Amino acid sequence: DIQMTQSPSTLSASVGDRVTITCRASQSISSWLAWYQQKPGKAPKLLIYKASSLESGVPSRFSGSGSGTEFTLTISSLQPDDFATYYCQQYNSYPTFGGGTKVEIK
Amino acid sequence: EVQLVESGGGLVKPGGSLRLSCAASGFTFSNAWMSWVRQAPGKGLEWVGRIKSKTDGGTTDYAAPVKGRFTISRDDSKNTLYLQMNSLKTEDTAVYYCTTEGYSGSSHSFDYWGQGTLVTVSS
Repeated sequence: DIQMTQSPSTLSASVGDRVTITCRASQSISSWLAWYQQKPGKAPKLLIYKASSLESGVPSRFSGSGSGTEFTLTISSLQPDDFATYYCQQYNSYPTFGGGTKVEIK
Repeated sequence: EVQLVESGGGLVKPGGSLRLSCAASGFTFSNAWMSWVRQAPGKGLEWVGRIKSKTDGGTTDYAAPVKGRFTISRDDSKNTLYLQMNSLKTEDTAVYYCTTEGYSGSSHSFDYWGQGTLVTVSS
């Protein structure tokens, strides 16, 4: 299995901050990476697919980059609705998820 | 509007069985690859398995922890996905989500999700 490692596991930030979350794969996954946002008690929501493609309807303050084994999710200006947990997921082989990054209010 | 509605969760004893259903609407279900993803209480996401569309062979794939115990099937005439869970263990306790895989053109990411159904395995 391909292991996905996210950092940090928790991030404290303020509204308006630029936020970056990192995801590392245990082997190359090309660009076969997605990012999801999950709020408590709700299903995850797809934000980014193929490492950098923005899902329809997702605000442009979200962006993804990277290829191979290193990936980042950036929120350019954190909004109140963005406090949530974020997961990366690879689909180069059987899907696996990172452990999650909780974005908290500072 | 795409809708996925899971049902069938509940409390079951270790070693028992349960069948989950996922009713789909708002898209051409027969064309979709479908997956089950679970989330143990307070934990992260874990892919359980998938079933491809019949045009892509209709085959199934499973994660190692459930292989041989869980079976995914589909009834395209009823727009319904199933997850048959046998020999359940306490570590199978989780919210189970059904998802589409790449239906909206998002390669093989999980683009549409149901609201989830809770399975609790406990004596």
